[in-house]
Amino acid sequence: ETGVTQSPTHLIKTRGQQVTLRCSSQSGHNTVSWYQQALGQGPQFIFQYYREEENGRGNFPPRFSGLQFPNYSSELNVNALELDDSALYLCASSFRTGALQETQYFGPGTRLLVL
Amino acid sequence: ELKVEQNPLFLSMQEGKNYTIYCNYSTTSDRLYWYRQDPGKSLESLFVLLSNGAVKQEGRLMASLDTKARLSTLHITAAVHDLSATYFCAVDTSGNTPLVFGKGTRLSVIA
Repeated sequence: ETGVTQSPTHLIKTRGQQVTLRCSSQSGHNTVSWYQQALGQGPQFIFQYYREEENGRGNFPPRFSGLQFPNYSSELNVNALELDDSALYLCASSFRTGALQETQYFGPGTRLLVL
Repeated sequence: ELKVEQNPLFLSMQEGKNYTIYCNYSTTSDRLYWYRQDPGKSLESLFVLLSNGAVKQEGRLMASLDTKARLSTLHITAAVHDLSATYFCAVDTSGNTPLVFGKGTRLSVIA
């Protein structure tokens, strides 16, 4: 059974640029959630994708967007990068049937530094 | 809005001592999680607590849940240096709510 994987592991960008982060869900999972963890803080929910649609969103601006593909993998896109976007971005996958969601499993994360 | 509070936020422990980390949450939730995070690393799942009175133990760590008090504890017995890490509690419901994390407890075990 393959766990949750993320790419790249590290990334350096400059302000105003755009970035795409990728996540492959664990085998058998159909839901992907993205979290942002700033240094010294707990992870904050960005959004979740289920059945290729956004299924819940946290308090993040529209320049944070995402996709889910038919194989349940997902991308997180951030446009017009700001210095405060520097963080560890965590992807978590889970199995959902309608309103019932099982435990989420986290990937290794992508560390983004915006200069 | 679901809120999760942990205390203490920083904890320096001597090796061999016992201590407890507390996690309070504000509204009824189905599941409570404890995670460990080493510097620069992702989250490692420690425990999932699903029902009132649930107690789980792994090595020197024991977690419990009191849903009536909306309180979970993570008890550390005879601390060793390898337990130094940041510990997070998180809460969700089995429905459409995302995981809500506490701010974490940074544990340092010193000789």
